[in-house]
Parts: sequence; C-alpha cells; structure tokens
Amino acid sequence: QVQLVESGGGVVQPGRSLRLSCAASGFIFSDYAMHWVRQAPGKGLEWVAVIWYDGSNKYYADSVKGRFTISRDNSKNTLYLQMNSLRAEDTAVYYCARDYHDWGDAFDIWGQGTMVTVSS
Amino acid sequence: QSVLTQPPSVSGAPGQRVTISCTGSSSNIGAGYDVHWYQQLPETAPKVVIYGNNNRPSGVPDRVSGSKSGTSASLAITGLQAEDEADYYCQSYDSSLRGYVFGTGTKVTVL
Repeated sequence: QVQLVESGGGVVQPGRSLRLSCAASGFIFSDYAMHWVRQAPGKGLEWVAVIWYDGSNKYYADSVKGRFTISRDNSKNTLYLQMNSLRAEDTAVYYCARDYHDWGDAFDIWGQGTMVTVSS
Repeated sequence: QSVLTQPPSVSGAPGQRVTISCTGSSSNIGAGYDVHWYQQLPETAPKVVIYGNNNRPSGVPDRVSGSKSGTSASLAITGLQAEDEADYYCQSYDSSLRGYVFGTGTKVTVL
C-alpha cells in the first residue's frame, strides 16, 4: 500500500545536526513533489520545505532557510531533511508528505512522523 | 505566526452543524490558490478531508464540505458525530512568502 515512513529523529544538543529520512513505497516516488511539515508539542502545523519531483527546485520556510536542506534519492525512493545549527524551537514532530498535483497540490499522504528534540 | 487565521475552537451537540473559518489575504486565498483542509486526530498524522476548496477524497463522508470566497474559506460539518472530534487545519500557498501555509488550527468538540 501507499506508505511513507520517517526515521532519524532523536534528542540532539543545540547547534548540532541531524538528518531525517522518509522512505516511500507503493507509488512511483519520482513522479511526486514531496514536503516536510513539522508540529511543535501542543502547537499547530508548520510547513518546512518542498522539493520538486526531480529535485530541480527546493523551497524553504523562512524559519529554517539556510539551516535545513531538503533532498531526495529517487533511486532509493527516499526523501531527506538535513538539519544543521539546530535550535530549541526546532523541537517538533517532523512529517513527510506527498504533494498530489491533481488535487491542487494537497498533501494527500503523510508519514507517521518522527520526533526531534533539541535540548542540552 | 500563521498567515491563515482560524478560530481556536468550535463545538456542537451530536447532529448539529459546525463551521470553521479560514481567513487569509490577497497573497494566498485571495490570489486564487486552492485551499485544503486536514483533520488531525489525537496523536496521529493529519489526513486531508477537503482538497481544491470543495472536493472530498474517497472515504470522507458527505457531511463534510468546503467553500471559498474572496480571501476566506470555510469547512462545514453537518450531522456532527463523536468521531468528528479532532483538530482541523486549512492550508494554501502564499505568493509573498513563496511557500505553503497552514491555518492556526481549530479544535472541534462534540458536546
């Protein structure tokens, strides 16, 4: 079945780095743009970044621009989020989501999320 | 802070109708970008319940509907049921921010 599974979360000290992965299955990964969305504890959803289906374009929220890098390996059906210079305010559940162009770019498939805690 | 504003909470008795507003601006909803709505049950990932302003994915009951006018959008749930108790978020694209935006979120409580 169509599925996204995130991994790589954990506890990290401020200023350090972490890389998240999102493994896709059940669909042609290389046909879809992909997003990262995060949710701080008890807070709402915040869009983080998007990458085009072929990796040719990437866009970021201002809150992570210059610190986070989204990438993908279509041969491995995997999406990544490299997070550098982490801050306490980056603490959140990080979700990967598929962009369904036929639905006006709605996020139609979501992973279960992976928790990132930035704390000393 | 989100550029799409929603009421923090709405509530209704079983069987009643509730609506959730999503107020944006001329750089997002007012610019013609589609609005999508997501339901998030406790401790679970969000799920799209309305896409492209007023379309329901397969499996979403027809009690749920969406609309859009000017710089705002709305989600309506009729015949409210206990299973509708969740957080709901609107989402669109913002040309000024050159990125995607979510609403502030609304908690629906079934009394």
